[in-house]
Amino acid sequence: QVQLQQWGAGLLKPSETLSLTCAIYNGSLSGHYWSWIRQSPGKGLEWMGDVNHSGVTTYHPSLISRVTISLDTSKSQFSLKLTSVTVADTGLYYCARVKNGPFWYFDLWGRGTLATVSS
Amino acid sequence: ETVLTQSPGTLSLSPGERATLSCRASQSVNSNYLGWYQQKPGQAPRLLIYGASSRASGIPDRFSGSGSGTDFSLTISRLEPEDSAVYFCQQYGGSPTFGQGTKVEIK
Repeated sequence: QVQLQQWGAGLLKPSETLSLTCAIYNGSLSGHYWSWIRQSPGKGLEWMGDVNHSGVTTYHPSLISRVTISLDTSKSQFSLKLTSVTVADTGLYYCARVKNGPFWYFDLWGRGTLATVSS
Repeated sequence: ETVLTQSPGTLSLSPGERATLSCRASQSVNSNYLGWYQQKPGQAPRLLIYGASSRASGIPDRFSGSGSGTDFSLTISRLEPEDSAVYFCQQYGGSPTFGQGTKVEIK
């Protein structure tokens, strides 16, 4: 079945850039939206943004100045970059597939990557 | 942004009992955009219900969802020990948002 496998650097210093990648196995980027969602004790689950199969992106208004989500269709991967991280960005980061239309929901999740920001 | 408020914060019940979890939205939500997820420790959230009332593939029929507008609920008709988890509601209109979760404990 389709699986999402994610990876990226887990320990960062303030002001650095968080970079994560999510690969789709046994499936295709086509016909879906792809999201990044993070979870922290303070903010709970927070949607960060998504990208569709054509590369069109939508971002959370509070993150729009710092976040970039992109596609690599040749590798069936999508990526997250979050610049100028602070301690408040510490948390568990998930990639997820969006079932889009007529129902919209996150139907497949990666296992999560812990990102810790500390000086 | 639509704020989802879940209640109660924690529910402690015995096996076989019925659990009713509430999710209230700060503004009306299209039912097609309302989902419920289950999260166990160390795991990613798992989709239970989509479209407010449709069970996801492989989800037991003891899980059911209902509601419309600003008030939605998830019912677990007969609790089993493996239902111990945190449950989140989520809406996809505009910027997607999640509720803060309800923890279900099995006595």
